[in-house]
Amino acid sequence: GENVEQHPSTLSVQEGDSAVIKCTYSDSASNYFPWYKQELGKGPQLIIDIRSNVGEKKDQRIAVTLNKTAKHFSLHITETQPEDSAVYFCAAKGWDYKLSFGAGTTVTVRA
Amino acid sequence: KAGVTQTPRYLIKTRGQQVTLSCSPISGHRSVSWYQQTPGQGLQFLFEYFSETQRNKGNFPGRFSGRQFSNSRSEMNVSTLELGDSALYLCASSLDGADTQYFGPGTRLTVL
Repeated sequence: GENVEQHPSTLSVQEGDSAVIKCTYSDSASNYFPWYKQELGKGPQLIIDIRSNVGEKKDQRIAVTLNKTAKHFSLHITETQPEDSAVYFCAAKGWDYKLSFGAGTTVTVRA
Repeated sequence: KAGVTQTPRYLIKTRGQQVTLSCSPISGHRSVSWYQQTPGQGLQFLFEYFSETQRNKGNFPGRFSGRQFSNSRSEMNVSTLELGDSALYLCASSLDGADTQYFGPGTRLTVL
């Protein structure tokens, strides 16, 4: 089955700086790559997603890049704010409709 | 449009008991997936239902089961609870399973 690895496990950034989280996947058949943000006591919330026919997607301060050849994708958050502090999960989905998640990255934005 | 709802939000059970969790998907969504989240194992896929049929299943023992009703609402059941079943159980819905999944707030199950 699909195996998704996520790095780093924790990330501390100064407010206003950028944060980058990287994920790799194993199944070349995976074609959908969402990113979720999870705050304490809540379920994961989709923040951005990308499909395998697209190399990059941006939504305001958030961007995701995908390299199908290398089988890795990254989340970029620019101009970080305190409300960006949360746990972020990458995931990959293939033909079987099953989302395989990375282990998560705890992001702390220091004021 | 209302989001995914899960009931109950919190549950405390003792070993050996069974439990049923409920999930109501976003209106119009026909696919419901269930995940278990623990600090040690992270987010793990349990099963996915589409049009009342289990379409995919993760690597969990037979004590974990589910079903989906004609209105797309889904329930999952865990029998003979073990301490290790303590977790946040999340449900996610999507239109047909191939597109974006939206998660509910989860049910926090504690097994004593």
